[in-house]
Amino acid sequence: GQNIDQPTEMTATEGAIVQINCTYQTSGFNGLFWYQQHAGEAPTFLSYNVLDGLEEKGRFSSFLSRSKGYSYLLLKELQMKDSASYLCAGMDSNYQLIWGAGTKLIIKP
Amino acid sequence: GAVVSQHPSWVICKSGTSVKIECRSLDFQATTMFWYRQFPKQSLMLMATSNEGSKATYEQGVEKDKFLINHASLTLSTLTVTSAHPEDSSFYICSARESAGVYEQYFGPGTRLTVT
Repeated sequence: GQNIDQPTEMTATEGAIVQINCTYQTSGFNGLFWYQQHAGEAPTFLSYNVLDGLEEKGRFSSFLSRSKGYSYLLLKELQMKDSASYLCAGMDSNYQLIWGAGTKLIIKP
Repeated sequence: GAVVSQHPSWVICKSGTSVKIECRSLDFQATTMFWYRQFPKQSLMLMATSNEGSKATYEQGVEKDKFLINHASLTLSTLTVTSAHPEDSSFYICSARESAGVYEQYFGPGTRLTVT
């Protein structure tokens, strides 16, 4: 079966660094997406990885290991506005996104 | 670029009535559009995938006669919730993909439906 696992909730301090992990099992693999979703709003795209390694984009970086079925999203210099849910999604061989349940990130001052 | 709009952003309707939600790609042509439903504190649940000019493909457990999807043009898809019931109250989100080989989906802002 297809499955995406990520922690339900994480707490971090403003200015710190946090890593949100995601493990995936998909039928075929066409990449791994990270989205940010604030409460009551639609998801916004953060990153896409299809090759192994680290992709850096400002304060956010995303890592992929295809052999381990593992990805993480790294957020640096945390700001209060980063409080949101972070959704991990794997794309299968049919180009369908398989969504994780999301990780709610709480930032404390 | 890559903006997707949804209308209405929120709607309240009475049980038994039908509601239509529009999803538009404003600055690109969307060959594929997706409709999701999200209940509070849960992740996105894909309801159906629609390609322009063809019938939508519904996910298992989603009633196609209740959730009517029309993808009439490359910039517009509609979801009609027929004979709505309180359990249909949810956050409905559409997303659009520009073309085959482009993997990113662009999401609309969502429509919050409340059925009383």
